[in-house]
Amino acid sequence: DQQVKQNSPSLRVQEGRISILNCDYTNSMFDYFLWYKKYPAEGPTFLISISSIKDKNEDGRFTVFLNKSAKHLSLHIVPSQPGDSAVYFCAATVLDQGAQKLVFGQGTRLTINP
Amino acid sequence: NAGVMQNPRHLVRRRGQEARLRCSPMKGHSHVYWYRQLPEEGLKFMVYLQKENIIDESGMPKERFSAEFPKEGPSILRIQQVVRGDSAAYFCASSPFQETQYFGPGTRLLVL
Repeated sequence: DQQVKQNSPSLRVQEGRISILNCDYTNSMFDYFLWYKKYPAEGPTFLISISSIKDKNEDGRFTVFLNKSAKHLSLHIVPSQPGDSAVYFCAATVLDQGAQKLVFGQGTRLTINP
Repeated sequence: NAGVMQNPRHLVRRRGQEARLRCSPMKGHSHVYWYRQLPEEGLKFMVYLQKENIIDESGMPKERFSAEFPKEGPSILRIQQVVRGDSAAYFCASSPFQETQYFGPGTRLLVL
C-alpha cells in the first residue's frame, strides 16, 4: 500500500525555467510533509517542509504547495540550476505519534539541462 | 557540528554471513531512525530508537534483523544470515524530539 506516490519517475527542465515536482498521498492522518533531495551515493538532504495547517511555504528558490482536499503537494524550484539535478523524495509523517517515521514516495529524478 | 556518520559506506557479504551497520547521530540528537532503500524504490522505515530503547520496530523484518542504540557508542543495525534480498542501501537518520530528521550517507550492502 503506497501511501505517498510520486508518479513521475523523471523530469527534464531547461536551466532558468521552473521545475515542478508532484506528490500525492492517501493517508489523511499525515500532518507534516517534507521534501528531500538526494545525490548519488549520498544520503537524502532535507530541503523544505510544510505543516498541514498551511498551504504554502517558501524558502529562497524553493516553494512547497499543499492542497489538502486533493491530497496533493508540489515542490516548485525557480529558477532551476544545473546543481538542482538530483532525485527528489516527497515524505510525510504524523506528528502526534511517538515515532516520527517518515513515509517516502518513490522519488523523481530531476535533470536540469544547461 | 559533524553530520550523521555511517560506516562502513560499502559492505560486501556472502550469503549466510552477518552484517553490522553503524550509525553515529549528530551531536545532541537522541533519536535514531533506520531506513532501507531497495533499487529504484523510495526509503522504507525500519526502526526508531532512543538511547537504550527501541520505540518502534514495525518496519523491521521479524527474523534476522535487530537494532540497538546503547548508552555509549553508535547505533547498530545487525543482519544475521544475510540473503541476496538484503542487498540495499541502509540509511540512518537522527533528530531531536519531533524535529526534522537528518540523514547519513548510507551503507550499501551487497550480498553475493
